[in-house]
Amino acid sequence: GAGVSQSPSNKVTEKGKDVELRCDPISGHTALYWYRQSLGQGLEFLIYFQGNSAPDKSGLPSDRFSAERTGGSVSTLTIQRTQQEDSAVYLCASKTHRGLMNTEAFFGQGTRLTVV
Amino acid sequence: GESVGLHLPTLSVQEGDNSIINCAYSNSASDYFIWYKQESGKGPQFIIDIRSNMDKRQGQRVTVLLNKTVKHLSLQIAATQPGDSAVYFCAENRGKSGGGADGLTFGKGTHLIIQP
Repeated sequence: GAGVSQSPSNKVTEKGKDVELRCDPISGHTALYWYRQSLGQGLEFLIYFQGNSAPDKSGLPSDRFSAERTGGSVSTLTIQRTQQEDSAVYLCASKTHRGLMNTEAFFGQGTRLTVV
Repeated sequence: GESVGLHLPTLSVQEGDNSIINCAYSNSASDYFIWYKQESGKGPQFIIDIRSNMDKRQGQRVTVLLNKTVKHLSLQIAATQPGDSAVYFCAENRGKSGGGADGLTFGKGTHLIIQP
């Protein structure tokens, strides 16, 4: 598709289980972001990938969270040993760059994670 | 740390009136700002952006104003329509091009309610 695609759209998991969330960015976009959005809140930055550079992991809340981006395209966010406080909508965004200029990021519809 | 914040969590306006949504930012190094609109159950959608070398930018029914002296950003929506009801986020992208080690930083958002 033409936009950022995330899967699954909804995920219910039991506390303590691991989950994987997938993001397919817009083709050709070199930058990819993961955010977490709790109910009624803003977007909390998690991790940022830019081309072949080392990712910026400064937003990951604990070592239970990790993310990969294979081949500079698809990204997977993994949460190990999920906790109830991990329940949120996980949003992925991608963007390109025009030379030295920042551009807008395009968001997917998100994955709503519920830990029971 | 530094963050982007919004003054009002909820703004209610009459249909057809103009609305102004405000945003304060604290990082003077920010050079790119974006307004996003998020409807219920959807990912944020780009509305308009502005670079730090500008103080005003207009789109269709929307205008963004940037006051770097007081680090203030606003979004004006003219002749509001029911479809404008959503949460609006401002975001800053600071530092070098491509984002570098920086992700987009978002505030909590303002919920705009259009009353008939």
